[in-house]
Amino acid sequence: AQSVTQLDSHVSVSEGTPVLLRCNYSSSYSPSLFWYVQHPNKGLQLLLKYTSAATLVKGINGFEAEFKKSETSFHLTKPSAHMSDAAEYFCVVSDKGGATNKLIFGTGTLLAVQP
Amino acid sequence: KAGVTQTPRYLIKTRGQQVTLSCSPISGHRSVSWYQQTPGQGLQFLFEYFSETQRNKGNFPGRFSGRQFSNSRSEMNVSTLELGDSALYLCASSLGGEYNEQFFGPGTRLTVL
Repeated sequence: AQSVTQLDSHVSVSEGTPVLLRCNYSSSYSPSLFWYVQHPNKGLQLLLKYTSAATLVKGINGFEAEFKKSETSFHLTKPSAHMSDAAEYFCVVSDKGGATNKLIFGTGTLLAVQP
Repeated sequence: KAGVTQTPRYLIKTRGQQVTLSCSPISGHRSVSWYQQTPGQGLQFLFEYFSETQRNKGNFPGRFSGRQFSNSRSEMNVSTLELGDSALYLCASSLGGEYNEQFFGPGTRLTVL
């Protein structure tokens, strides 16, 4: 069965410093992995996705993630945090095994950005 | 192109009642999935409909049901509401393929008193 573990429930950074949100996955197949962001009282927005092409995936708003099979990790990074990055971030794996669009979400990491 | 819309945005019900939530997908999308988001359980998959057929179902009791119409709009129904059903219910639409991005609506906030 597929699963993801987000290693930090809260991360706080200063504006202009790097962001690192950690995610480990478990999958019986070659996984499809995603990062979604949720701003307060808003729906979920896709930041980036990995679907077995390039291991370094670039997303929107300067975010990127690297798929590391040997470490079963898919950490999200950004070189310089902006105040508008404050939100909750979800690492997600697609549940394969037939035609399905079922997404399995991690527990989320709340990112705070200090001025 | 209009995004995924969900109605109503907010709903207050009492225990024992039933509720119907609606989701209109992005034009051309044939897959609609539903998720429940609560502080305790996080985001959990309810079910997915593709071309009017339920394609997958999560681990929720039979009180939770859904359907999809020929225009791809979907409804979700919860009968005999319990306090624990209070949650944000999110709908997502996609073209339906495994690698197709799912686009989420703003959600319906259900409060059960």
